[in-house]
Amino acid sequence: DQQVKQNSPSLSVQEGRISILNCDYTNSMFDYFLWYKKYPAEGPTFLISISSIKDKNEDGRFTVFLNKSAKHLSLHIVPSQPGDSAVYFCAASRRTGNQFYFGTGTSLTVIP
Amino acid sequence: EPEVTQTPSHQVTQMGQEVILRCVPISNHLYFYWYRQILGQKVEFLVSFYNNEISEKSEIFDDQFSVERPDGSNFTLKIRSTKLEDSAMYFCASTQDSGANVLTFGAGSRLTVL
Repeated sequence: DQQVKQNSPSLSVQEGRISILNCDYTNSMFDYFLWYKKYPAEGPTFLISISSIKDKNEDGRFTVFLNKSAKHLSLHIVPSQPGDSAVYFCAASRRTGNQFYFGTGTSLTVIP
Repeated sequence: EPEVTQTPSHQVTQMGQEVILRCVPISNHLYFYWYRQILGQKVEFLVSFYNNEISEKSEIFDDQFSVERPDGSNFTLKIRSTKLEDSAMYFCASTQDSGANVLTFGAGSRLTVL
């Protein structure tokens, strides 16, 4: 039962352009969402989060958008840099719970 | 910056052997987790641990798995009799609070079962 889905396993973007990574979820009880970045041989590192009371959260080059009615969130990276090349996971949880559900990840390649 | 540390980074074992993976969570964190990622697949939740007991566990976390916090700093995952399908990266994570908080992950322990 995959409650969090990332349907694009990979994405290639030219340096300086926008990267858009998408994530869908099925459980309407989720109210907190996170994006993690993972380099090979390392653990996932936190990137940005958003609560369900917001529809947008911005941190430097990273912006997360949440569309609750569509149960969809996206991560925008502008401008993309070669160092952004990594696997990006979205995750969801409920504030009252302590389990985080992860998607399968999207491998982003930023081409110099 | 505080970090979650995991040992060993890589363990190779024979099928049927017991394996213990160790983690040192961030010192002021209260919730501890184990996740795993089979090669090419999603990061899967195994178990969460709070106040010296399991608070949630997934279907994957069957009787072959156990967790323990033997002292004030270590958090261990034991697999009693490893199977080939247990081969995966195992990630320990911790958070200060539950729900709307950020999980901080360790670098992972790669388990290879032969």
